[in-house]
Amino acid sequence: GEDVEQSLFLSVREGDSSVINCTYTDSSSTYLYWYKQEPGAGLQLLTYIFSNMDMKQDQRLTVLLNKKDKHLSLRIADTQTGDSAIYFCAERGGYNKLIFGAGTRLAVHP
Amino acid sequence: DVKVTQSSRYLVKRTGEKVFLECVQDMDHENMFWYRQDPGLGLRLIYFSYDVKMKEKGDIPEGYSVSREKKERFSLILESASTNQTSMYLCASSFKGLGLAGAKYEQYFGPGTRLTVT
Repeated sequence: GEDVEQSLFLSVREGDSSVINCTYTDSSSTYLYWYKQEPGAGLQLLTYIFSNMDMKQDQRLTVLLNKKDKHLSLRIADTQTGDSAIYFCAERGGYNKLIFGAGTRLAVHP
Repeated sequence: DVKVTQSSRYLVKRTGEKVFLECVQDMDHENMFWYRQDPGLGLRLIYFSYDVKMKEKGDIPEGYSVSREKKERFSLILESASTNQTSMYLCASSFKGLGLAGAKYEQYFGPGTRLTVT
């Protein structure tokens, strides 16, 4: 079945790069997404990548997709305290549903 | 700006009570979703709807029902609340189709309702 896995915690120093990893199972997924959830808020789409792309860059964010290994990563350059949040990886499943991972809590310390 | 609103941010109910969680979106989206979010489990889909009066079970529908009488409103109903339904409930909506950009399928989320059942 469809499944998305990601590690639960990541701690980085302010100014360093953060890399959040995700693996998914459905090789037919056309789109993969990264959502961000700040404390006390709902989820917001951060970025997405189409399955025929290997990489997408958007300012401080870089998404890498390895379709062969079904591995997706999100790199945040120059991580700031405002980047502290939970980051969810998601793949598009059947019936236009999104299948979410458990979320990675990113903690940024000085 | 797309707006998805949920009727309450915090709710405390007693075991056995009937609970209604309301969600309203203002973007004329066809699809609407109810998730629950629990630490370490991420978001799990309870029910979704792709049109008025249409509903489909998600991954964990047991103990829940839904109602979609109008396009903009999707209600989640706990017929008889139990303590294991204490959770954060998130509503989302999206367009049905895919455009050239995946973001057309983006799900927009409400702020969530933290439900405690005692």
